[in-house]
Amino acid sequence: DIQMTQSPSSVSASVGDRVTITCRASQGISSWLAWYQQKPGKAPKLLIYAASSLQSGVPSRFSGSGSGTDFTLTISSLQPEDSATYYCQQANSFPITFGQGTRLEIK
Amino acid sequence: QVQLQESGPGLVMPSETLSLTCTVSSASINNYYWSWIRQPPGKGLEWIGYIYFTGNTNYNPSLRSRVTISIDTSKTRFSLKIDSVTAEDTAVYYCARGPTYGDYNDWGQGTLVTVSS
Repeated sequence: DIQMTQSPSSVSASVGDRVTITCRASQGISSWLAWYQQKPGKAPKLLIYAASSLQSGVPSRFSGSGSGTDFTLTISSLQPEDSATYYCQQANSFPITFGQGTRLEIK
Repeated sequence: QVQLQESGPGLVMPSETLSLTCTVSSASINNYYWSWIRQPPGKGLEWIGYIYFTGNTNYNPSLRSRVTISIDTSKTRFSLKIDSVTAEDTAVYYCARGPTYGDYNDWGQGTLVTVSS
């Protein structure tokens, strides 16, 4: 199985800050990477697919980059509604696997 | 906009079979993959497997010996069965459409299944 490791596990930032979350795959996954946002009691919401493509309806302050083994999710200007847990997910090979999550708190 | 809704018992006895159904509405079940993903309380996401509308399946090796995913295209629903459950199978179970481009854009709301006597 491909292991996905996110860092940091948690982060606290202020409104307007730029926040970056990193996801590293245990082997190369090309651009088969997605990012999700999950709020308590809700299903995950797709933010980014194919490593850098913004899902329709997702604010442009979210962006993704990377290929191979190293990926980043960036929030350019943090908003209060961005408080959530973020997960990366690879689909280069089965089984599909997720990162352990990064909890983002607004100061 | 496709809608997915999980249904099934919220409590299952240890060693019994967990059974859930996902009903798909406002979209055809044809030409898509349909998946189950679970999340233990307070933990991360685990992919269980998918079924294509033709009936082809792919399961997580960690669960393959106990999992069956089936599909009823006439009734636009698909189902999950996990045999011989233990407390470790306690989780919120999500059904989802996909993977599409390797991702999941459409999810059910999730249903909590507790394994306990």
